[in-house]
Amino acid sequence: KNEVEQSPQNLTAQEGEFITINCSYSVGISALHWLQQHPGGGIVSLFMLSSGKKKHGRLIATINIQEKHSSLHITASHPRDSAVYICAVPNYGGSQGNLIFGKGTKLSVKP
Amino acid sequence: NAGVTQTPKFQVLKTGQSMTLQCAQDMNHEYMSWYRQDPGMGLRLIHYSVGAGITDQGEVPNGYNVSRSTTEDFPLRLLSAAPSQTSVYFCASSYFGGQSYEQYFGPGTRLTVT
Repeated sequence: KNEVEQSPQNLTAQEGEFITINCSYSVGISALHWLQQHPGGGIVSLFMLSSGKKKHGRLIATINIQEKHSSLHITASHPRDSAVYICAVPNYGGSQGNLIFGKGTKLSVKP
Repeated sequence: NAGVTQTPKFQVLKTGQSMTLQCAQDMNHEYMSWYRQDPGMGLRLIHYSVGAGITDQGEVPNGYNVSRSTTEDFPLRLLSAAPSQTSVYFCASSYFGGQSYEQYFGPGTRLTVT
């Protein structure tokens, strides 16, 4: 069974700073998800990636399958980026089965 | 498309009462799932379904029941509510297995059991 660790648990940044959130897992996978949970509670999918890097606007996600590690970067952070960021991986590794979720990283960006 | 819808948004129950949380999706997704989210913990899987007529237990199934009679609907039943079931419940859907395809979440139901 996979285990997911996210760091840091909480993160406070000043507007404009470069943000990095980390996710490590224990069992090899072929796809990892990054999700965003807004202060109002809604959850949206940001990225699903299986190798290398993906970019969407100011958000960049990278994954190192060999190291069992992924990072989510936010460039030029803005107060509207304040949210909880969650990574999720297949529970039993590979590409099959249900997802298991990290506890999330709560990001607060101050103006 | 409405995406994934959940009703109700808020609910207060007394211990021992039963109720059904509704979930529907209009994206023709095979895979649907129910999660609960508690403070300090990640989302935990309650039950899931890989298609109409097929359901299975997740990590925390006790006290909950599901059925999947259509592709669109996946209701979650609380059989006899307990204070430990106070939580925020999310329904999600995706194509095929949830591991390789984008997850779509409903807005959540905040349930309080007194």
